[in-house]
Amino acid sequence: EVQLVESGGGLVKPGGSLRLSCAASGFTFSNAWMSWVRQAPGKGLEWVGRFKSKTDGGTTDYAAPVKGRFTISRDDSKNTLSLQMNSLKTEDTAVYYCTTGCHSWGQGTLVTVSS
Amino acid sequence: QAVVTQEPSLTVSPGGTVTLTCGSSTGAVTSGHYPYWFQQKPGQAPRTLIYDTTNKHSWTPARFSGSLLGGKAALTLSGAQPEDEAEYYCLISYSAARVFGGGTKLTVL
Repeated sequence: EVQLVESGGGLVKPGGSLRLSCAASGFTFSNAWMSWVRQAPGKGLEWVGRFKSKTDGGTTDYAAPVKGRFTISRDDSKNTLSLQMNSLKTEDTAVYYCTTGCHSWGQGTLVTVSS
Repeated sequence: QAVVTQEPSLTVSPGGTVTLTCGSSTGAVTSGHYPYWFQQKPGQAPRTLIYDTTNKHSWTPARFSGSLLGGKAALTLSGAQPEDEAEYYCLISYSAARVFGGGTKLTVL
């Protein structure tokens, strides 16, 4: 059974940084394209970015609102996906979901950016 | 960045059929956009129903189906059940990014 467990959410001030992690199990992590999706309170889903599998190039893509501020990384030896978020803005407040290429989803972790 | 459009809200009667659509500001949606469909109920994580236009997961109820219709991706629900009341999102893939639609709130009434 695929399991994705996000952690690292919390309250951070504007301009601050936060690192989210996603622990994956139940599938061959190294073969999977992994993505982050977020959802602001009361709003719709927003694709944040992805990290392709190394066999498919191992490259990353990001949505325009986070490009240059967020960095996705992966550790295939630990089955872990990470999201480093810098220069955070109030509009980054959301539940952040880890997904296996938008097939299976974690339960999400809440990030609140507020002074 | 492309804009993906969905009906804001739709209503279907129990046992009825409804089609949700997903359009792209860049033109017709094709199989090359690998459209996905998701269901989300309040307080829950999204659940993937359809991927790559028509493919279902093992957990996708048979009453849901995906297709292309008039230049858009479409999700058809045949034989709506009360538990199908939810928000539905589509996702379109572009060359270096993916974009969600704004969601359709489906009421079963």
